[in-house]
Amino acid sequence: AQSVSQHNHHVILSEAASLELGCNYSYGGTVNLFWYVQYPGQHLQLLLKYFSGDPLVKGIKGFEAEFIKSKFSFNLRKPSVQWSDTAEYFCAVIASGGYQKVTFGTGTKLQVIP
Amino acid sequence: KAGVTQTPRYLIKTRGQQVTLSCSPISGHRSVSWYQQTPGQGLQFLFEYFSETQRNKGNFPGRFSGRQFSNSRSEMNVSTLELGDSALYLCASSPALSGRAEETQYFGPGTRLLVL
Repeated sequence: AQSVSQHNHHVILSEAASLELGCNYSYGGTVNLFWYVQYPGQHLQLLLKYFSGDPLVKGIKGFEAEFIKSKFSFNLRKPSVQWSDTAEYFCAVIASGGYQKVTFGTGTKLQVIP
Repeated sequence: KAGVTQTPRYLIKTRGQQVTLSCSPISGHRSVSWYQQTPGQGLQFLFEYFSETQRNKGNFPGRFSGRQFSNSRSEMNVSTLELGDSALYLCASSPALSGRAEETQYFGPGTRLLVL
């Protein structure tokens, strides 16, 4: 069974700082990877996803993530955060090619200080 | 297209009672998954339904059950409620065009359940 680790539980940054949130997964086969975001009081929504191809994927609002297969990682990055990026971020993984369940990490709360 | 809707949005129950939560997926979506979200635990997978069949189940006790109807709408039931069941229950749907649940999941607003 797959598992997902998000090591940073709470991150505080000043506006314009660069962001990198770690995500590591455990699974021996091919996976599809996602980052979801939950803004305060809003639904969980997709930020970006990786299914195949270019391991550097770009999502909404200037976010990007890089899939490094050898490190089982899918870290989320943004060069310059804004106050409006304050939210909780969830990494998720699903084994591809079958009827598997999606496994989410425990989430990282990002607080951006103006 | 309307998004995923969940009813009710808020619910207060007492220990020992049972509760039924409802989820209407996006039109055309065939896969519906349920999650329990609590602080510190993140999202924990409850179960996933596709074509009225439960395909996957998480590690929750048998008090948690669900079903899916022919129109893809889904219900989740929790019997004999415990204080620890207080959580935000999220429903997510995906197209599952190929029958697989690999596509993006679209989440509803959730039902916040408080057990007293």
